[in-house]
Amino acid sequence: AQSVTQLDSHVSVSEGTPVLLRCNYSSSYSPSLFWYVQHPNKGLQLLLKYTSAATLVKGINGFEAEFKKSETSFHLTKPSAHMSDAAEYFCVVSPFFTGTASKLTFGTGTRLQVTL
Amino acid sequence: DGGITQSPKYLFRKEGQNVTLSCEQNLNHDAMYWYRQDPGQGLRLIYYSQIVNDFQKGDIAEGYSVSREKKESFPLTVTSAQKNPTAFYLCASTLTAGENEQYFGPGTRLTVT
Repeated sequence: AQSVTQLDSHVSVSEGTPVLLRCNYSSSYSPSLFWYVQHPNKGLQLLLKYTSAATLVKGINGFEAEFKKSETSFHLTKPSAHMSDAAEYFCVVSPFFTGTASKLTFGTGTRLQVTL
Repeated sequence: DGGITQSPKYLFRKEGQNVTLSCEQNLNHDAMYWYRQDPGQGLRLIYYSQIVNDFQKGDIAEGYSVSREKKESFPLTVTSAQKNPTAFYLCASTLTAGENEQYFGPGTRLTVT
């Protein structure tokens, strides 16, 4: 069994300040973890993924996430927010070894607001 | 450019009508998926197809039907049996059924009144 909890439904930051979006997961097996971003009325775009290689994963647009097994966390960070980062972010967990991608579990999303 | 297209972007229907949402991909991916997204919720899997002429129910298949007659196409029909069809529908694909990195289309917003 697996589950994912995004700890904040809404985060507001000022432009130029750091971003932290929190994600905790639960998994009975070694997980793969993903962060996706969704702009309004658009599809999901992959930001980054963890698949048991380096625990610090770098993604697109300056985002990164650190896999912490002891804390079962996979928080998303960015040193300096930009207005274009305003969107909905989804944390996703999946078994590392899977026969089908139907085993993905999506978090409920965190809406990031960036203010001037 | 390779990718997934969904049409139309916005769709309006009267209650009691069936409606079909289109999903086409030119990525040469084997597997395709349909999700439903409601406000404040994560994506929920409706149906998925691992190969042509094969598909399986996801977590919320009731009131929906699909077909997979061609590798590049995976249309979703929302039937009148779906009790709450108004939602944002997303189609996705993976290179093979065993891959877990999904590529998403831009979505179709269905409103039923």
